[in-house]
Amino acid sequence: SYELTQPPSVSVSPGQTASITCSGDKLGDKYVCWYQKKAGQSPVLVIYQDTKRPSGIPERFSGSNSGSTATLTISGTQPMDEAEYYCQAWDSRTVFGGGTKLTVL
Amino acid sequence: QVQLQESGPGLVKPSQTLSLTCTVSGGSISSGSYYWSWIRQPAGKGLEWIGRIYTTGGTNYNPSLKSRVTISLDTSKNQFSLNLSSVTAADTAVYYCARDSWGIGNYYYMDVWGKGTTVTVSS
Repeated sequence: SYELTQPPSVSVSPGQTASITCSGDKLGDKYVCWYQKKAGQSPVLVIYQDTKRPSGIPERFSGSNSGSTATLTISGTQPMDEAEYYCQAWDSRTVFGGGTKLTVL
Repeated sequence: QVQLQESGPGLVKPSQTLSLTCTVSGGSISSGSYYWSWIRQPAGKGLEWIGRIYTTGGTNYNPSLKSRVTISLDTSKNQFSLNLSSVTAADTAVYYCARDSWGIGNYYYMDVWGKGTTVTVSS
């Protein structure tokens, strides 16, 4: 079955750029979206169709997808961005990555 | 705007069936080209997709749960429901419902989520 692999954790200093990767077989041939999930809250869509930002999502969030890796990039990371981030793709079923805990310190 | 709200028992006994309902407000569940999904998250673990139903009633299920899952639609009540049979402690989780938007080329994304409901499987 199809799998998406994310690093368990990423750390970044405030104001710096955070990059969270999501890897899967020929992932570049699929569309990827990303969710932000904070403890006790529902997931929030931050990127869809590889690169698009939903209304209300800050411009500092961007996405890319090529080859076997999709990347969520947060420019000028803020303390409020500390959360778990999940990638998602479709391969005859919805597949989530294992999640990446982003720490802003 | 569209809002989703999960409801159902917070405690289910082992071997019984877990039943949850998601009520859609602010829009019709049968309008537009959307799927309506169920997702869960056990404590300390990641998100797991359970399955989804289209506005016409067609369904897709996670193969790992398919033998135990049924998702149905009630357009008269603007609701969709999840039944998960033969539950065990491993089914203890926060359960979310979500609206699943899609487009040509097989892109899907869940843009509206419910707040989630905690279900514990225990005797």
